Amino acid sequence: ETGVTQSPTHLIKTRGQQVTLRCSSQSGHNTVSWYQQALGQGPQFIFQYYREEENGRGNFPPRFSGLQFPNYSSELNVNALELDDSALYLCASRPQTGDTYEQYFGPGTRLTVT
Amino acid sequence: AQSVTQPDIHITVSEGASLELRCNYSYGATPYLFWYVQSPGQGLQLLLKYFSGDTLVQGIKGFEAEFKRSQSSFNLRKPSVHWSDAAEYFCAVGAKGSGTYKYIFGTGTRLKVLA
Repeated sequence: ETGVTQSPTHLIKTRGQQVTLRCSSQSGHNTVSWYQQALGQGPQFIFQYYREEENGRGNFPPRFSGLQFPNYSSELNVNALELDDSALYLCASRPQTGDTYEQYFGPGTRLTVT
Repeated sequence: AQSVTQPDIHITVSEGASLELRCNYSYGATPYLFWYVQSPGQGLQLLLKYFSGDTLVQGIKGFEAEFKRSQSSFNLRKPSVHWSDAAEYFCAVGAKGSGTYKYIFGTGTRLKVLA
C-alpha cells in the first residue's frame, strides 16, 4: 500500500504567476485536504475535497482552488501568486471507512515565490 | 472558537533528560487529538493519537501523551530524550462541521537537544 505522494518536491515561481501542485491520495481514501504551512507556523487548512467537490474551505481567498479526480488524486491551484504564498503545502487523505478522523499526510511541496 | 495552544515556542533539554511539551485545546465536543513531529524540510510524522478510552496513549519513538479533559490538555512526554528527537512538534485537534473534517494545529514547539 503506497502512502500519500506529492509533486513536485520544490518549485520556485515569480509573483503574479500561477502554480499547480499535485497529490495522489492513499489507496482507498476518498477525501483529500490541503494545508498551507508558512515558515515558523503550524499548518493551516485550505480546503477539502470529497467525491470531486469542494466541501469545506478555510480562510483562503478564491485564487486558491482545487480539483479532485475520479481516482481521488487532487490538485491545488494558486493564481496571481504573492510573496506570502511561499510555504510548504501539505496534502492529506482520509479513508472511506472508519470513524477515527485520522488523516494521512504527504511529504509536502515547498513553494518559493520571488 | 476551536483552537490549539502550544505555550512553549522553544524548549531546550539535555540528552537523557525528560521532556514534556504542553498542548491546550478549545473544542466544544469530544476531541480527537494528535501529536506530529516535523524534522527540518520534512513533512509531518504522526507520533500518537487519542480518540477515546484510556487517557494515557503510547506512541512511536518512546513518546506518550495524557488527555486531561478537566484541563483541556494533551501534553506530550518522553522519559529520556535522544539527540535525534530535535525537531518541531505540533499538537492538533480534529474538528468536524458541515461535512468538513479538518485539523486545527498549534503553532508548534521547537525542541533543541544538548549533547
